[in-house]
Amino acid sequence: DTGVSQDPRHKITKRGQNVTFRCDPISEHNRLYWYRQTLGQGPEFLTYFQNEAQLEKSRLLSDRFSAERPKGSFSTLEIQRTEQGDSAMYLCASSPDRTSSYEQYFGPGTRLTVT
Amino acid sequence: AQKVTQAQTEISVVEKEDVTLDCVYETRDTTYYLFWYKQPPSGELVFLIRRNSFDEQNEISGRYSWNFQKSTSSFNFTITASQVVDSAVYFCALSEVTSGTYKYIFGTGTRLKVLA
Repeated sequence: DTGVSQDPRHKITKRGQNVTFRCDPISEHNRLYWYRQTLGQGPEFLTYFQNEAQLEKSRLLSDRFSAERPKGSFSTLEIQRTEQGDSAMYLCASSPDRTSSYEQYFGPGTRLTVT
Repeated sequence: AQKVTQAQTEISVVEKEDVTLDCVYETRDTTYYLFWYKQPPSGELVFLIRRNSFDEQNEISGRYSWNFQKSTSSFNFTITASQVVDSAVYFCALSEVTSGTYKYIFGTGTRLKVLA
């Protein structure tokens, strides 16, 4: 079991550019979450997938953000027309879909810096 | 509304001291889960413990112990005989069953510095 992986680990981009992040959850984990963490704060929920279905999006997820999870495996988070306020750590987590276990397992995150 | 408060922004202790990290939560749900995670300098959140709202038994795991009190909506975390490797940011999180998604609501974290 290799854990949750995220790619890239770091991304520096210029304001106005588009960026895409990838998350590979633990295999057979049906639930997948994206969070955003800014400096000195706790992670904030962005969106949730149950298999390939995106079931909840936070109001933090503006129209410039889109997430997908084709075939219920890996997920991508795209930010269009990046702004300096998008600079943050983007965390992905996965969880098995069974009632005995609700803890989420987090990846190492993608740190985005918008210049 | 749901909320998690970690009032201690930063705590510094000398190695071998005991330290307690406070967590207070707010929820209207009767069924919920509480969690503690450790975030070392590497950045990856490491799961420490899960507790459901119906289980108020305290738990001990090695040098770690947790005290859950529904009456005061608190879920505090104690490290006994702290070590330098315990230095990290610790987050408390709440997950409500009625959300259906079990998404987490995190506190702002407590940075623990253990000095040698």
